[in-house]
Amino acid sequence: GENVEQHPSTLSVQEGDSAVIKCTYSDSASNYFPWYKQELGKRPQLIIDIRSNVGEKKDQRIAVTLNKTAKHFSLHITETQPEDSAVYFCAATDNNDMRFGAGTRLTVKP
Amino acid sequence: GAVVSQHPSRVICKSGTSVKIECRSLDFQATTMFWYRQFPKQSLMLMATSNEGSKATYEQGVEKDKFLINHASLTLSTLTVTSAHPEDSSFYICSASGTSGVYDEQFFGPGTRLTVL
Repeated sequence: GENVEQHPSTLSVQEGDSAVIKCTYSDSASNYFPWYKQELGKRPQLIIDIRSNVGEKKDQRIAVTLNKTAKHFSLHITETQPEDSAVYFCAATDNNDMRFGAGTRLTVKP
Repeated sequence: GAVVSQHPSRVICKSGTSVKIECRSLDFQATTMFWYRQFPKQSLMLMATSNEGSKATYEQGVEKDKFLINHASLTLSTLTVTSAHPEDSSFYICSASGTSGVYDEQFFGPGTRLTVL
């Protein structure tokens, strides 16, 4: 089955800096890669996703890149703001079950 | 976006009792619903996948007789934790998808915090 690894587990940046979170997956059949933001005690919220036929996708300050050959994908947040502080999860699926990374706790210091 | 509700949001029960958690898709037909369990500061762990009208598919290590899942309609799935024990205390989150797979976005419920005394 699919196995998703996520790094780093914690990340602290200054407001305005960029943050990068990386994930690797094991199943080459995986074709959909969403990223979720989860604030304490709340449900995960989809912030961006990418499908296997695309290498990069951007939405304002958030971008995701996918390298199918290397089986890794990354989340990039530019111009970070304190409200970006949360736990971020990557996930991968091959149209069956979605597997999540362990999560990255991002702290943006004002 | 689509809305998924979950009830109750919090429940405290005594050891040995059963607890039912409901997950509803409010404005779309959820052909597939997923149940996750989340321990503090940990990731979401998929427990089972249920398709409307079919038996749920459980992940390895998840006891199907302990975690009963019913997906009787396109808008409702229930998770019943039977004979609950303190180790069952956790945050349970459901999600719903409007397709038969997960290729499209999953919409998450707000979660249910279960505490077993």
